[in-house]
Amino acid sequence: QVQLVESGGGLVTPGGSLRLSCAASGFTFSDYFMAWIRQAPGKGLEWVSYISINSRTIYYADSVKGRFTLSRDNAKNSVYLQMNSLRADDTAVYYCASVGSSSIAYWGQGTLVTVSS
Amino acid sequence: DVVVTQSPLSLPVTLGQPASISCSSSQSLVHSDGNTYLSWFQQRPGQSPRRLIYQVSNRDSGVPDRFSGSGSGTDFTLKISRVEAGDVGVYYCMQGTHWPLLTFGGGTKVEIK
Repeated sequence: QVQLVESGGGLVTPGGSLRLSCAASGFTFSDYFMAWIRQAPGKGLEWVSYISINSRTIYYADSVKGRFTLSRDNAKNSVYLQMNSLRADDTAVYYCASVGSSSIAYWGQGTLVTVSS
Repeated sequence: DVVVTQSPLSLPVTLGQPASISCSSSQSLVHSDGNTYLSWFQQRPGQSPRRLIYQVSNRDSGVPDRFSGSGSGTDFTLKISRVEAGDVGVYYCMQGTHWPLLTFGGGTKVEIK
C-alpha cells in the first residue's frame, strides 16, 4: 500500500534550519508531483511547496519563498524540504503528499516542526 | 488569487441525520481542459487528512457512498446522507484548477450534537 513517511522535524530556535525528508513507497514515485503542506496548531491546511516529476517546476508559497528549498531524488523515492531562517510562524505539522490530477491522492502522517527559543 | 470559502465553520449534527457543507470559489474552477478540480478531504481528530472526493463528485476507493459531492463553476457541496460517529472531524475543500496557486478552504468542523 502507499506509504509516505516524513522525518526530520523537531525543535529549532528562530533563525535556525531543519531538513525534512519524505520516503515514498507503494506507488510509482517518478510519476507524481510531490508536495509539502503544513498545518499550524489548531489551524487549517496551507500549501508550502510542490515539485514536478523532473524537478523542473517548483512552487513555493509566498510565506516561505527564499527560505525553503524543495528537492527530490527519484532514484531514492524521496523528497526533501530544506528550511532555513525559520520563524515562529513556521511552527506546524508538515505533511508530505503526492499530487495527481490536480489533487492530493495521499498524505503522510506528518512531522512536527516547532520554532521557539 | 483564488479564494475558497467554506460554510458553515461548525456543523453540529444528530447521528443518522444528513449534513451538508458548502464550498465557494472566487473564480470559476472549470479548467481549460474542461475538468473541474475541486476535492474534498476529511481530517479526523489526531489524524492526517484523507481525500474523499476528487473532481467534484468522484469518490475515492473505500469511501462510503454516504458521502457525495456536487456542484459546478464556483459553488460546490459535500453531503453526508446519514452522519455516523466516525464522521466527526474537519472537512476541507481544495481547488486544483488554478495552478500554481492551489487553495484550501478554511475547513468545517463536524461534531455530534
